Amino acid sequence: DIQVTQSPSSVSASVGDRITITCRASEGIKNRLAWYQQKPGKAPKLLIYAASTLQDGVPSRFIGSGSGPDFTLTISSLQPEDFATYFCQQPFGFSVTFGQGTRLEIK
Amino acid sequence: EVQLVESGGDLVQPGRSLRLSCAASGFSFDNYTMYWVRQVPGKGLEWLSAISWNSGRIGYGDSARGRFTISRDNAKNSLYLQMNSLKPEDTALYYCVRAIGGYSEYYFDYWGQGTQVTVSS
Repeated sequence: DIQVTQSPSSVSASVGDRITITCRASEGIKNRLAWYQQKPGKAPKLLIYAASTLQDGVPSRFIGSGSGPDFTLTISSLQPEDFATYFCQQPFGFSVTFGQGTRLEIK
Repeated sequence: EVQLVESGGDLVQPGRSLRLSCAASGFSFDNYTMYWVRQVPGKGLEWLSAISWNSGRIGYGDSARGRFTISRDNAKNSLYLQMNSLKPEDTALYYCVRAIGGYSEYYFDYWGQGTQVTVSS
């Protein structure tokens, strides 16, 4: 199975900051990667797929980039509602895998 | 509005069985590949099983293979997960998830609220 390694595991930032989360795939996956946001007690929410395509309704401050094996999720100007946990996911075949998650906390 | 509502989670003893159900509404259920994904609270996400729109393709992750069986009933807009020989490490929140993408790539655009499975004596 293709593995994805996400970093950092946690990050502290302030409203208005720009932050970047990275995900590295163990094999070439071209531009096939998704990013999810999860808030406490809620299911994950799809933010970005195919590395850089914004899901409907997701604010444009969420920016995905990269091509296998390295990908990034950038939040250009943090808003209070952005403090959550973020996961990456490689989508190949049925055997998808998720990154370990990055917890974004308020500084 | 797309809705996925899981049910069937419970507290069970090790070695027992449980059947999870997912009722889908608000979309053409028989057009989509569906997944079961689980999460230990505060931990990561793990795919368990997937089933194509017509049940022609089925897959299992390492934790599910040999113990869990996925199925669907398109006439009832329902997805199922039969879990046998449950272990304490199966304790988690189980999500029913709709997949988008294509034959070889799957992203998850709608998730249920999850159903809790606890395996303990």
